Amino acid sequence: QSVLTQPPSVSGAPGQRVTISCTGGSSNIGAGYDVHWYQQLPGTAPKLLIYGWRHRPSGVPDRFSGSRSGTSASLAITGLQAEDESDYYCLSYDSSLSGYVFGTGTKVTVL
Amino acid sequence: QLQLQESGSGLVKPSQTLSLTCTVSGGAINTGGYSWSWIRQSPGQGLEWIGTVYPTGSTHFNPSLKSRVTMSADGSNNQFSLRLTSVTAADTAVYFCARNNSHFGMDLWGQGTTITVSS
Repeated sequence: QSVLTQPPSVSGAPGQRVTISCTGGSSNIGAGYDVHWYQQLPGTAPKLLIYGWRHRPSGVPDRFSGSRSGTSASLAITGLQAEDESDYYCLSYDSSLSGYVFGTGTKVTVL
Repeated sequence: QLQLQESGSGLVKPSQTLSLTCTVSGGAINTGGYSWSWIRQSPGQGLEWIGTVYPTGSTHFNPSLKSRVTMSADGSNNQFSLRLTSVTAADTAVYFCARNNSHFGMDLWGQGTTITVSS
């Protein structure tokens, strides 16, 4: 069982804004460790979407943005598009586990 | 452009040892600032960090797998490897290797290799 909790699913119509939360605790997100976000299309490897809370790698559209607040992080997708339908995962470091932890994952559905 | 490619036996019998290698091309694995990780994904499930090997040779493992995992890096062949002993059906998964950096996260991934544990 992951120490980073995400909603199992979120959905939105094309053009809408959706947010995915990643809730942790004092030994991971709350301790200030970086949070990264990944998009995983079916049958493919995860792709880095956001690193260091809010930074986008080259080539990632600015429709994707990251933020943090206390022991949680969030990924926002604005102007939702059909191609955004995918699984999304957060990743951080946990000091009590002395290792990395992934979030439970969220499936985004475009209605 | 740096690329990672997993290789290894796709079918492993229960109680045996799973061995995987990740070959890195387009750059050296002993480049400063990066470590190398293994991650797996069981069918229909989420991502699970297995462990990380650092340029110094030190390792960190998921506590849930620590007693069965060994990882090493071979700078001369630009590879790093994973060994998981005493496998069971619960170890059936797609195994990914990835480049890791504390600020950039796991920024580059291999395509993954499917490992099935079955007699």
